[in-house]
Amino acid sequence: EPEVTQTPSHQVTQMGQEVILRCVPISNHLYFYWYRQILGQKVEFLVSFYNNEISEKSEIFDDQFSVERPDGSNFTLKIRSTKLEDSAMYFCASSGSVTIQETQYFGPGTRLLVL
Amino acid sequence: GIQVEQSPPDLILQEGANSTLRCNFSDSVNNLQWFHQNPWGQLINLFYIPSGTKQNGRLSATTVATERYSLLYISSSQTTDSGVYFCAVVGGIGGSTLGRLYFGRGTQLTVWP
Repeated sequence: EPEVTQTPSHQVTQMGQEVILRCVPISNHLYFYWYRQILGQKVEFLVSFYNNEISEKSEIFDDQFSVERPDGSNFTLKIRSTKLEDSAMYFCASSGSVTIQETQYFGPGTRLLVL
Repeated sequence: GIQVEQSPPDLILQEGANSTLRCNFSDSVNNLQWFHQNPWGQLINLFYIPSGTKQNGRLSATTVATERYSLLYISSSQTTDSGVYFCAVVGGIGGSTLGRLYFGRGTQLTVWP
């Protein structure tokens, strides 16, 4: 069964450093998402991406964050200057249809720790 | 945005018991998904169920969209069912923008042998 993959599985970084989290969505999917989950809390939406541009972003997704689809398979989330509060599990998701009635499939996550 | 409330927040069961988890949402939805978060943090899709009833083995789910709730049933629970169960929704037409999932806070299920 096709699945969303994410790399790395874990990343430790120093405050102020840039990190890039990578995702390979399911190959025929059109919509891509990033979510995050701070330890012990609920999953929160960051951004959605369709047709090579951002569809929607949440209030969390400020100027420190950016997303990119650099080629036909990868989807990346960049945090320009990490803060302690960016420590979280980051999930990539993808869905296949142009309608909103579609299952989102989640990757296994990248656990980011900012020291 | 849409409010998603899950109950109970915690549930402790003996292996073999049955359970019902509830998800209430505050507005019309076009997508409702149930997930299981395992101890490694992975979100496993259980059901895509904006309405109606579905079954998959020992798990089943029912969504009554007109009354804005969904139920997840776990029968004959096993220790491997332990983890957090999340309900997540995408808002209805005219509501939230395409595709954004709003998550509840989850139900922490612990199954003892």
